[in-house]
Amino acid sequence: QSVLTQPPSVSAAPGQKVTISCSGSSSNIGNSYVSWYQHLPGTAPKLLIYENDKRPSGIPDRFSGSKSGTSATLGITGLQTGDEADYYCETWDNSLTADLFGGGTKLTVL
Amino acid sequence: QLQLQESGPGLVRPSETLSLTCDVSGDSISTNIYFWGWIRQPPGKGLEWIGIIYYNGNTYYNPSLKSRVAITVDTSKSQFSLRLTSVTAADTAVYYCARRGYFGSGIHGAFDIWGHGALVTVSS
Repeated sequence: QSVLTQPPSVSAAPGQKVTISCSGSSSNIGNSYVSWYQHLPGTAPKLLIYENDKRPSGIPDRFSGSKSGTSATLGITGLQTGDEADYYCETWDNSLTADLFGGGTKLTVL
Repeated sequence: QLQLQESGPGLVRPSETLSLTCDVSGDSISTNIYFWGWIRQPPGKGLEWIGIIYYNGNTYYNPSLKSRVAITVDTSKSQFSLRLTSVTAADTAVYYCARRGYFGSGIHGAFDIWGHGALVTVSS
């Protein structure tokens, strides 16, 4: 069981919007930056969001991040079939002195 | 442009030691604004953080692996390494090395550059 809780799966139609939640605690999300990654089979994970809501260069503004209290959310608008992937949240836990990954959420674009 | 490349045996016997190296090219490994880390993904499972190392050798490890893991850095060779002892089938995974932002990096706490990954199978 991951310390960071994500829904196992989400789905939506092309062109629609989806959100993926990541729930933690005061020892991790509540006091640390959150990052989000997209992971396609057979490839390395790709950084989508860092420092809660910032996008690296080259990441389209269809992807957004937010954080409130001990939860974070990844939003994806204008869904494309190419967005089908696993998505992970990640943050630092001050009590464990360790990075944590959420359990991952599989996005299906119907 | 920074590149990371994992290397090491693809097959390890149970109870033996898994050893992987990550070669860093395109930028200096001796930087105080990044950590260097290892993450793995067992078949059919999610990403698991293994640990990170700073250029001066300071390390942080996953508590569940701490008794078996060691990460070292060799700045003269621009590489860092992973050792995992007493492996079992549960350690079968794709192992990734990655760069992690720290204070001053502008990407604090995030893994921005990843290697392609190395599949390590634990089997007799």
